[in-house]
Amino acid sequence: EAGVAQSPRYKIIEKRQSVAFWCNPISGHATLYWYQQILGQGPKLLIQFQNNGVVDDSQLPKDRFSAERLKGVDSTLKIQPAKLEDSAVYLCASSLGTGAHNEQFFGPGTRLTVL
Amino acid sequence: AQSVAQPEDQVNVAEGNPLTVKCTYSVSGNPYLFWYVQYPNRGLQFLLKYITGDNLVKGSYGFEAEFNKSQTSFHLKKPSALVSDSALYFCAVKNNQGGKLIFGQGTELSVKP
Repeated sequence: EAGVAQSPRYKIIEKRQSVAFWCNPISGHATLYWYQQILGQGPKLLIQFQNNGVVDDSQLPKDRFSAERLKGVDSTLKIQPAKLEDSAVYLCASSLGTGAHNEQFFGPGTRLTVL
Repeated sequence: AQSVAQPEDQVNVAEGNPLTVKCTYSVSGNPYLFWYVQYPNRGLQFLLKYITGDNLVKGSYGFEAEFNKSQTSFHLKKPSALVSDSALYFCAVKNNQGGKLIFGQGTELSVKP
């Protein structure tokens, strides 16, 4: 079974530039998550999708971050414009459903450096 | 509010010795508890989870965790550590109403030969 795919793996940009990350979840997983992991911290949920609908985006900085999952499969996360404090690893995860017992499966992440 | 504490930033163990990585939690309602491991430049990998039932949960790679409701703890254990167990370990919790998964700050495990 293929895992969660993410691209690119690394990205370096200047502040105020834009960047986009892509995620392809495990086949059949209805729930998709984007996390931000700052160095030395645990992952923090940015947004959760159930199929193509948003379940929770309470911690997404909506003035600069946006995410979509138009066909209920792949997802993109965009930052525009980027700030220095956005430097982090962005992790995508998926699970079969939103049930509390469902474990999440994580992709390898995209390491973003904002200069 | 839900929270997870991993009181040790780093745990050092000699190969072959038992290891424990500590985790305590705070959640409203019944907790669902998870352990994940992260190797360098890799995503998080699921190790085990506690949902209900036996307090001792067995997971991947010989790891196990003990749920203690009175102490609100979910410590990760392994009887005999391997050098290849060296990695970053995260404890996470959510409540049984399906709330978001909250992670601890992580514990760096170092196993020396």
